[in-house]
Amino acid sequence: GAGVSQTPSNKVTEKGKYVELRCDPISGHTALYWYRQSLGQGPEFLIYFQGTGAADDSGLPNDRFFAVRPEGSVSTLKIQRTERGDSAVYLCASSLTETDYNEQFFGPGTRLTVL
Amino acid sequence: AQKITQTQPGMFVQEKEAVTLDCTYDTSDPSYGLFWYKQPSSGEMIFLIYQGSYDQQNATEGRYSLNFQKARKSANLVISASQLGDSAMYFCAMRERGSNYKLTFGKGTLLTVNP
Repeated sequence: GAGVSQTPSNKVTEKGKYVELRCDPISGHTALYWYRQSLGQGPEFLIYFQGTGAADDSGLPNDRFFAVRPEGSVSTLKIQRTERGDSAVYLCASSLTETDYNEQFFGPGTRLTVL
Repeated sequence: AQKITQTQPGMFVQEKEAVTLDCTYDTSDPSYGLFWYKQPSSGEMIFLIYQGSYDQQNATEGRYSLNFQKARKSANLVISASQLGDSAMYFCAMRERGSNYKLTFGKGTLLTVNP
C-alpha cells in the first residue's frame, strides 16, 4: 500500500516568498504530524492534527507558519515571508490513531532551501 | 533540560559484530513510549522498535533489541550481527501521553559499519 507522500521533494525559494508544502498521509490515518529537521539535528515537532483540527500547534516557531487539513486527509504547511533560517527538511508523519503504541509513519520529506 | 539524550555522536562497528547505541530520557509522565528510528543518507525515517513504559519485557524485532532500564531512564538500542546496510543515523524518540503523542527526538548517533 501507499505510504506517506510529500510534495515537492525539493523546494528552492527566495527570502520573503511564500511556500506551501503538501503531505498526503496513509489512507485512514486520523493523526497527522509535521516535523522540521535542521542539518545535523533530530526532527522537531511543529504541529499535530487529529482529524481536521490542529490539536497541538505548540511547535510552530512563529506566526509565519500555518498548517491546514480541511478534509481530515491531506495537509498543507504554509510558510509566509520565508527566511534563510527556515531552510530545513520538513517531515510529515501519520498514525492510525493517537494512542501511544501506534507508530508514526514518516514521509520522505520536503527539503526547503531559502536563498 | 533535554528530554532525550544520545551521547554518542558517532559509533563504529565491525561487520557481524553487535553494537549498542545509548539513549537516556527524562519525563515525569508515567505513561510514555520509546522509539528508535533509522535514517539512511536517503533521508527517510524508518521505524525500528518500540517500548512502552508499562511493558514488562524488553522489545525485540529481528536483529534489534531494546535494553529498557526504567529506573535508570535508559532505552539503549542493540543491533546484533551488524551489516553494511546498517550504516545510518539512528534516532531515539519519546512520546508522552500528556503531550498529544508528538515525538521528541534526540540528536542522533551516526553508525558506521566497517567491512
